[in-house]
Order: sequence, then structure tokens, then C-alpha cells
Amino acid sequence: GAGVSQSPRYKVAKRGQDVALRCDPISGHVSLFWYQQALGQGPEFLTYFQNEAQLDKSGLPSDRFFAERPEGSVSTLKIQRTQQEDSAVYLCASSLAGYAKNIQYFGAGTRLSVL
Amino acid sequence: TQLLEQSPQFLSIQEGENLTVYCNSSSVFSSLQWYRQEPGEGPVLLVTVVTGGEVKKLKRLTFQFGDARKDSSLHITAAQPGDTGLYLCAPLPPRNAGNMLTFGGGTRLMVKP
Repeated sequence: GAGVSQSPRYKVAKRGQDVALRCDPISGHVSLFWYQQALGQGPEFLTYFQNEAQLDKSGLPSDRFFAERPEGSVSTLKIQRTQQEDSAVYLCASSLAGYAKNIQYFGAGTRLSVL
Repeated sequence: TQLLEQSPQFLSIQEGENLTVYCNSSSVFSSLQWYRQEPGEGPVLLVTVVTGGEVKKLKRLTFQFGDARKDSSLHITAAQPGDTGLYLCAPLPPRNAGNMLTFGGGTRLMVKP
């Protein structure tokens, strides 16, 4: 498929475990975004990459959250020492270029449940 | 920070009914996008409105941008079960203010057959 692919689709973690969520953007897309969507809410911005550079990480809720995109393609969102409040759907989006009017294409998300 | 309010939060209707959902802010938008998110999927862009007073139609969906560009509405005619989902609005950020989208809380629509 040519869309944004996220894995795993579902992840259950015990409180205190580390998790890694993967995003494969659409090939050739320069920009990549991570959003967090709590149950019943709209998505909230976490962080943004342009190629391999992380240009904005202002939405990351704590220093337990870390994202990388080392080769400017696949990205990983890592959450250390997970807490119950981290339970949410984590959405990845990519867009062709690095300016605001570009359309963002979203993946189906990873649903994280922290027990 | 621009506060976005979407109403109603929830709407449950029968197939064939008409409905309108709203997106409001105290700030002026340069342009605004509407998305639909089906259960278990990511948001999908429906439309971008740019000009105050603009009306755009997408089959049974009619999008309107307020004259003052502070509000927008989505009207669905003869709703179908396939219209079920979370409807989200998001203004495009101002130039040089980052590329991230700031979504409203959404309207969750259920259309019963």
C-alpha cells in the first residue's frame, strides 16, 4: 500500500515498561508528524520532523517521550517508563513538503494501553 | 493559543436525517480544514476552506466558512450509516508558526440504519 503505515496496531504495556512505536511515511514525504489522541478527543500534536531534523518537539508531554527519524524516512516514537496516562492512540502523519498548506496523510494509529 | 470549540460533542440520528455541526473560535483563521475519522482509522481530509463566506460542496456534505473567518459549519443532507465517524476541524497554522495541526475536540456522529 502507498499510505502511512504504523506498527504495532495495538500495544499493551505494564506500567513502567518501555515501548517503541513505528511509523513508515509515504515514500518521498519530507515532513512527518506524531499526534496523541486520548479517548473521545481530537488529536494533539507531539512532534514534527523535516527529513531527519526534529524541528519541533514542543508537544512531547515529558522527557519520557522521545522520537527519532535518523534517515529521514521511518520514525520511531519511544515512551520510557510508561504510565497509565500515556494510554491513547498515537497517530503518525506525513506530508510531501515542509510548509503548512501541504496535506497531511494519517496512519491508522497505534492504540497503547498501559495497565 | 487559539481555542477551538466543536459542537455538538455527540450526535446520534436516523438514516435520512439532516444535521449540522459547528467549529468556532475566538480567533480569526487564515484557512480551515475538516477531517473525518472513522473508528480504528486516522483522520482523512474532507475539505479546506480559505475565503470568508466560502461554501464548498462534497456530494451530500456542505461546508461553510464564516464571513469573519472565525467559524465554520458542516451540513450533511440525508445522512447515511457510512457518514458515521468523528468530524474534526483544524485551522491551518499561520506562516512561520510551525506546520502542526491543532484540532478541535470533534463531533462524534452516529447514523443509525
